[in-house]
Amino acid sequence: DTEVTQTPKHLVMGMTNKKSLKCEQHMGHRAMYWYKQKAKKPPELMFVYSYEKLSINESVPSRFSPECPNSSLLNLHLHALQPEDSALYLCASSQVGTGSYEQYFGPGTRLTVT
Amino acid sequence: GQSLEQPSEVTAVEGAIVQINCTYQTSGFYGLSWYQQHDGGAPTFLSYNGLDGLEETGRFSSFLSRSDSYGYLLLQELQMKDSASYFCAVRVNTNAGKSTFGDGTTLTVKP
Repeated sequence: DTEVTQTPKHLVMGMTNKKSLKCEQHMGHRAMYWYKQKAKKPPELMFVYSYEKLSINESVPSRFSPECPNSSLLNLHLHALQPEDSALYLCASSQVGTGSYEQYFGPGTRLTVT
Repeated sequence: GQSLEQPSEVTAVEGAIVQINCTYQTSGFYGLSWYQQHDGGAPTFLSYNGLDGLEETGRFSSFLSRSDSYGYLLLQELQMKDSASYFCAVRVNTNAGKSTFGDGTTLTVKP
């Protein structure tokens, strides 16, 4: 199984809402990532988890809160977002160390903030 | 920090060969990856170069010259389905495989 799944596929939320994005993989990967991608732009790294611990936070605003409950799951909790946060949110996973260059991406959650 | 440059658009015809270049400036360079992304889809890993030289995977090949801070992706026998965005991504020297992506090259394959 080389699949990363993400739910929901689409999400529309108001600026006062709280919502969560979910990501799951069963490839035994111990590194998981959140990326944000705007239209016609490259993926921008937000967070990296390594062995279920947050190892990289790319100065992401606190209205985005990641969580890694176990080695297969990754969540992104959203609160008080702004319209400019509307984007495609991609989850990815990889091995740690040797082989970690190959990241497997999920299909993404398309988020619209109104 | 890291910076990568690649052409914004490339157009070619079916059956042709196209080369997408990528130059980079970074500290802690570890390797160069290439990803393909179709409209509305997720990025898909294509190739990785950690050492100088050519890596071949079917119709796709990738090359790296660390001394020139330069790499390229070579696509042969182009097919219509190859129309997509192609990103080079620099991996910096961390265990968690942090990668910074270039702005992407939109490849259009015409009949």
